This record gives sequence, structure tokens and C-alpha cells, in this order.
Amino acid sequence: AQTVTQSQPEMSVQEAETVTLSCTYDTSESDYYLFWYKQPPSRQMILVIRQEAYKQQNATENRFSVNFQKAAKSFSLKISDSQLGDAAMYFCAYRPDSGYSTLTFGKGTMLLVSP
Amino acid sequence: ETGVTQSPTHLIKTRGQQVTLRCSSQSGHNTVSWYQQALGQGPQFIFQYYREEENGRGNFPPRFSGLQFPNYSSELNVNALELDDSALYLCASSLRQLPYEQYFGPGTRLTVT
Repeated sequence: AQTVTQSQPEMSVQEAETVTLSCTYDTSESDYYLFWYKQPPSRQMILVIRQEAYKQQNATENRFSVNFQKAAKSFSLKISDSQLGDAAMYFCAYRPDSGYSTLTFGKGTMLLVSP
Repeated sequence: ETGVTQSPTHLIKTRGQQVTLRCSSQSGHNTVSWYQQALGQGPQFIFQYYREEENGRGNFPPRFSGLQFPNYSSELNVNALELDDSALYLCASSLRQLPYEQYFGPGTRLTVT
């Protein structure tokens, strides 16, 4: 069974600074997708960034980028130029590229952003 | 484009009762997945429906059941509620094609007393 581990229950960052959230996963699959989702107090899960395992290039979406290390099964999220609106719970998630498209989530990291 | 909607927003039930939660898929999406998110935890997969049939199930007992309708909307039913069923229930819709992107609704907060 696949597992996703987020070892940082909470992280803090100041506005305009950079923060990195960690995620490791365990799988025997060779093809899969990894995601970072953001869940603000409104509860709606919002997709931040997606990485396909077959791609060596790390995904980037504006201020958000990932460091994908397939051999180490590591998938960290870097948020640059942090903004107050980035404060939320962040979940790392895994999905195999086979079968039905269900997601396995980590327990989440609460990101606090201070002015 | 209409996003995923869920109803009700909040619900309080008594142990032993039954509950039905509803989800409307994003326009054009034919696959619906349900997740349970306990307080302080990540979402856990309950089951998925595609073309009105259950297409996969997580580690949840049979008292968790669902339906998908021809318009792709969906229901989650939970019988014989237990205190541990208190959680946020999330619905996500997607197309059955790469990259199988899941779009989440705002969830229903269920409290069992």
C-alpha cells in the first residue's frame, strides 16, 4: 500500500520569505503522480501543483515549485515570496497511474504566515 | 463552468441514525470520489463512482454506501452512525482521462453526538 508522510505538522514564514514543506512517500509503482493541495479555512481543497513521476523536470507554478527526488521518494514544495494568503493547511498527495484515480494524502502541514 | 457543490454545509446527527450527503459534479465530469477527513488528518478515500457504478473502495465498512445518478451527481449514505464518523466529508469530481485531475467541493461537516 502507498503511504505519504509529512513530518512537519506546522511551519512558519514571514511575508516575502521562502519556505519549504517536506513530503516523502512509499510506493512500488514506477508511474504515478504527486500533488500539493492547499486547504484554507474555507475547507475547499485547491490544487497547487502537480508532478508526473516520468518527468525529470521539477514542476513550477508561479511562486510555487517542487523538488522531486524519485530515487529518494521525496517531494518537497517551495513557496517563494510568501504572502498572507498562502496561510493554510498543505497536503501532499499521491496517485498511481493505474486503476481508478484515487488520491492518498499525508496528514498535512499547517503554514503560518506573519507580516 | 460550475464547480463542485456539496450539501448540506453542516449536519448534526445522533449515534445510530442514518445520514445522506449530496454532491454535484463539476460540469462534464463523469467520475466522483468521496473522502473522509477527520479533524487534524488528511482526507481518506471512501469510494469512487463512474457511470453510476462503484469503481473502487477504501477501507470503510459496508454501512458507507453511495449512489451516482445519470447527471453524475452523487450521494454518500452512512447507516448506524458512530461517534468516529464525525468528520469533514469531501466530494471530488474528475474526468476519466489523463491527468484525472480531481476538483474538490467545500465539504460537509458531520457531527455525531
